[in-house]
Amino acid sequence: GIQVEQSPPDLILQEGANSTLRCNFSDSVNNLQWFHQNPWGQLINLFYIPSGTKQNGRLSATTVATERYSLLYISSSQTTDSGVYFCAVNSNSGYALNFGKGTSLLVTP
Amino acid sequence: EAGVAQSPRYKIIEKRQSVAFWCNPISGHATLYWYQQILGQGPKLLIQFQNNGVVDDSQLPKDRFSAERLKGVDSTLKIQPAKLEDSAVYLCASSLVGGPTDTQYFGPGTRLTVL
Repeated sequence: GIQVEQSPPDLILQEGANSTLRCNFSDSVNNLQWFHQNPWGQLINLFYIPSGTKQNGRLSATTVATERYSLLYISSSQTTDSGVYFCAVNSNSGYALNFGKGTSLLVTP
Repeated sequence: EAGVAQSPRYKIIEKRQSVAFWCNPISGHATLYWYQQILGQGPKLLIQFQNNGVVDDSQLPKDRFSAERLKGVDSTLKIQPAKLEDSAVYLCASSLVGGPTDTQYFGPGTRLTVL
C-alpha cells in the first residue's frame, strides 16, 4: 500500500516561532488531508489539499503532487497549537485514508 | 452543525470480555468509517460503510471484530473476545458521499483499555 512519512517526528518550539512540517508519500494521491490531534485526542481537519496551496489564518499548506510531498506551515505558534499533526492520503486505487505516524509538536510559553 | 458523536468515551475491560462502541455520523453523511489508533501511531482503517453496505473491511480482524450500520445511519463496532493488543482509541469518521476525494470528519473517539 501507499507509504506516508512525516518529519520531524517531534518538535519543540517557543511561542511565536514558525515551523514547517513535511509529509512524503510513495504514490499518486487524489486525497490528502492534514489533521491536528489535540491533547484530548480529537482529530480536527486542517486542510483538504491534494494539490496546490491553501491558507487558513496562521496555518498554510502546500502540496506538490508531482514530487509527492506536502508541507504544513505554522506561523507565530501558540501553546494551543500543541498536539500531533497527521498527514493522511489515499491512493488513486483506494478510498481508505492512510495516515503517517505524525509530528508531535509542543509549543512552550 | 453537530459533529460525529461517539460513546462511550472511555472503557476498561478485562481480556476475553466483550465490548461495543456506538457512533452517530454527521447528518446526511452516507459514508461511515471506523479506525483504530494505537498509542504513538496514526489511525488505521478497520471498516468503511456506504449507507448500510460494507465497502472495505480488509483490515478488520473478523474472528473477533464485527460492525454493523443498520438503516444507514448509526453504527456499532463490537469486539468479542477482547485481547490485550486491542487497547487503543477507536475513532469513527463520516464523509458526505464516500468518494476518494471526500473530506472525512472524525468523532472524539473511544479509549479502550484491556487489562
